Amino acid sequence: QVTLRESGPALVKPTQTLTLTCTFSGFSLNTRDMRVTWIRRPPGKPLEWLARIDWNDNKYYSTSLRTRLTISKDTSINQVVLTMTNMDPADTATYYCVRIHPVGYFDYWGQGSLVTVSS
Amino acid sequence: DIVMTQSPLSLPVTPGEPASISCRSSQSLLHRSGYIYLDWYLQKPGQSPQLLIYLRSNRASGVPDRFSGSGSGTDFTLEISRVEAEDVGIYYCMQALRVPYTFGQGTKLEIK
Repeated sequence: QVTLRESGPALVKPTQTLTLTCTFSGFSLNTRDMRVTWIRRPPGKPLEWLARIDWNDNKYYSTSLRTRLTISKDTSINQVVLTMTNMDPADTATYYCVRIHPVGYFDYWGQGSLVTVSS
Repeated sequence: DIVMTQSPLSLPVTPGEPASISCRSSQSLLHRSGYIYLDWYLQKPGQSPQLLIYLRSNRASGVPDRFSGSGSGTDFTLEISRVEAEDVGIYYCMQALRVPYTFGQGTKLEIK
């Protein structure tokens, strides 16, 4: 059974760095063609793709946010970490950790982590 | 980046009636393998998004057969043959051909 769970602060101040952790089970990021991605949805706005990390440690980022994002993995404890620097109120959103099936679709989603950016 | 454009953005539907959502991509989503990398997701109120359709026309596990996907390299359609109350939410198309992945703006389906 595949599960993913996001954890991190619910509130961050502007200019701070956000660190979100995705803890997953039911699959391994050591397995060829396995990938994990982060997606967010700001209130009243559409889904936005953020970053992806692959089984071979390849990493990909949103064009508009690449300078602020870092994604990493620790396969020994089945975790993927996303950091976002210089947080702004416009980054207020629910952040989702998602598994990507080897075929390429997003098949398992975490419950989401609501992050509010406010002083 | 590939731009995804959905229409309509709001879709009121009477239960039992059909519904259709259009999605257009700024580039062809046809992969050299022959597959078209277009997926559809539904975010129901208070829930995480869920996969409905992958590779243009394949229903995800557990998705009712009243949902169907079709289209060519750049123009796609999600159809619901008979809308039920449980279908309310925001529908997104997404291109999975290449990173950065991109979503449409979302179509909010509501029951009349």
